[in-house]
Amino acid sequence: DVKVTQSSRYLVKRTGEKVFLECVQDMDHENMFWYRQDPGLGLRLIYFSYDVKMKEKGDIPEGYSVSREKKERFSLILESASTNQTSMYLCASSGLAVTYEQYFGPGTRLTVT
Amino acid sequence: QKEVEQNSGPLSVPEGAIASLNCTYSDRGSQSFFWYRQYSGKSPELIMSIYSNGDKEDGRFTAQLNKASQYVSLLIRDSQPSDSATYLCALYTSSQAAGNKLTFGGGTRVLVKP
Repeated sequence: DVKVTQSSRYLVKRTGEKVFLECVQDMDHENMFWYRQDPGLGLRLIYFSYDVKMKEKGDIPEGYSVSREKKERFSLILESASTNQTSMYLCASSGLAVTYEQYFGPGTRLTVT
Repeated sequence: QKEVEQNSGPLSVPEGAIASLNCTYSDRGSQSFFWYRQYSGKSPELIMSIYSNGDKEDGRFTAQLNKASQYVSLLIRDSQPSDSATYLCALYTSSQAAGNKLTFGGGTRVLVKP
């Protein structure tokens, strides 16, 4: 079974803080993704990575950065958290794109006050 | 026009009946199609994948793909209250402009009433 874990289920941070969200997968997947999900807006891709030290911008990268130093780990960084970044953050991973099935972690509900 | 369209629902279904969910898409180059189930407050869970035209059955779920008409559907037979969730349609597209990515629909909320 694919297992994707995220560092926190719930997180509360103050405006202006630097926030780290971590994601780990145990299936040796090449591809990893960060999404946010908001009511009425659906799932939106923030960043993704096809390989270690490689990153690509998704649809809404502004205000975020990522880091992938090891194959199994993909971090999302909010450099200076703002209230409009309050959201559910979902990490996903997939193997080489033949079927492109993505498997999600449990999500982190981030509240910025 | 959105790339992936789903009726947001809610789709209300009596227990034991068939729930029929539809998804239409605009990119004819889409290669792979997926259905995810998402319970309230939880993350999406992959329940079906389909890659070629026709039907694919897995337990009480059947996915149907028609690339010529650009739609994919999901049937849930013998619906149970535990099937009450939001169902997300997703498809894999590959383009020079946007790269390789999974595009999600907004989801259809299904409510199975005992």
